[in-house]
Amino acid sequence: GNSVTQMEGPVTLSEEAFLTINCTYTATGYPSLFWYVQYPGEGLQLLLKATKADDKGSNKGFEATYRKETTSFHLEKGSVQVSDSAVYFCALSSRANQAGTALIFGKGTTLSVSS
Amino acid sequence: DAGITQSPRYKITETGRQVTLMCHQTWSHSYMFWYRQDLGHGLRLIYYSAAADITDKGEVPDGYVVSRSKTENFPLTLESATRSQTSVYFCASNSWDSETIYFGEGSWLTVV
Repeated sequence: GNSVTQMEGPVTLSEEAFLTINCTYTATGYPSLFWYVQYPGEGLQLLLKATKADDKGSNKGFEATYRKETTSFHLEKGSVQVSDSAVYFCALSSRANQAGTALIFGKGTTLSVSS
Repeated sequence: DAGITQSPRYKITETGRQVTLMCHQTWSHSYMFWYRQDLGHGLRLIYYSAAADITDKGEVPDGYVVSRSKTENFPLTLESATRSQTSVYFCASNSWDSETIYFGEGSWLTVV
């Protein structure tokens, strides 16, 4: 079945460091891929998405490229800030029966950025 | 701009009691979902709904019941709460023409 695997956390970085959070997926067909972010005490927010191979999603300085050949969707940011401290979830869409797009999530990666 | 709201936000209940978590969305989205979030498991889908009166099981449906008599509401009921159901529950929704799912702020449930 469809699944998402993320690198284990926590990831601890200093401000202005380069960030990579790895995400790989297993899926039939051509799913869309997503990164969601969860700030402490809040729900999940869409960070970026890509709907087909070689698409690059970007938002708030974060980027991820849909790589079908390596089944990956790694999240990157060139210079992290303390305000980026959060939990990041990689997800893929999975149309299921009568429902719309039920997302399948990775386990999440906690990022902690210190000044 | 209420969006999607969950209630209660925090609940402590005893083993064996029935608990209902409410979810209300103001966008008239067709699809609604319930997820639970647990350390080491990420988010797992409990139930989903394509429209009023259409629901189906997700990955971890045991011990939960849902209903959807109105498009805007999607309550989740724990018929007889167990400690293993201590978790954070997220309601979510999306429209038929978009893959972007919007989440509520979560309901923290503790079963003692």
